[in-house]
Amino acid sequence: QQQVKQSPQSLIVQKGGISIINCAYENTAFDYFPWYQQFPGKGPALLIAIRPDVSEKKEGRFTISFNKSAKQFSLHIMDSQPGDSATYFCAGSNFNKFYFGSGTKLNVKP
Amino acid sequence: KAGVTQTPRYLIKTRGQQVTLSCSPISGHRSVSWYQQTPGQGLQFLFEYFSETQRNKGNFPGRFSGRQFSNSRSEMNVSTLELGDSALYLCASSPGQSFNEQFFGPGTRLTVL
Repeated sequence: QQQVKQSPQSLIVQKGGISIINCAYENTAFDYFPWYQQFPGKGPALLIAIRPDVSEKKEGRFTISFNKSAKQFSLHIMDSQPGDSATYFCAGSNFNKFYFGSGTKLNVKP
Repeated sequence: KAGVTQTPRYLIKTRGQQVTLSCSPISGHRSVSWYQQTPGQGLQFLFEYFSETQRNKGNFPGRFSGRQFSNSRSEMNVSTLELGDSALYLCASSPGQSFNEQFFGPGTRLTVL
């Protein structure tokens, strides 16, 4: 059973545009929802994270929107840059056990 | 603060052999988790160790095992390697208490021939 579903699988955005990646989760016991960014040949790097008692969190150009009733959350990348081109993973966690989405490969065209 | 380190970075083994991978967490972190990353299955949780005890376990066969030492360093062992074990093995460390922030190492790329 896939506990976190992520879409789209791939995304192409023009420089300066907004990138939006969506995730849906099953387990209502999840109490932490991070987003990771991974470049080829590197391990995932923590980008931004949210807890379910908050509906939105913003850090620079990155924003998480969280909808607890719908069991959905999304990552918005404002003013997308070619350097943002990477694979993004969402995750849900409870008691330090993490379930990851399948990943979204983002390509920002110059 | 130094990040998570993993050794070796690359490994080539043949079917039937066994392998041991090592992970040194961020200083002060007591939890170490291991993940297998493949193009087809994505990031899959193997197990988590906290204070030398396995605290969480994923759905992998018993050929995959791990341990954690008193200095929080962790090792992962895979016995009787199969072709399907070829993957990037990632280690992540976290403080381990109520905070769940995990920080990943660069991974060990295992190729089984």
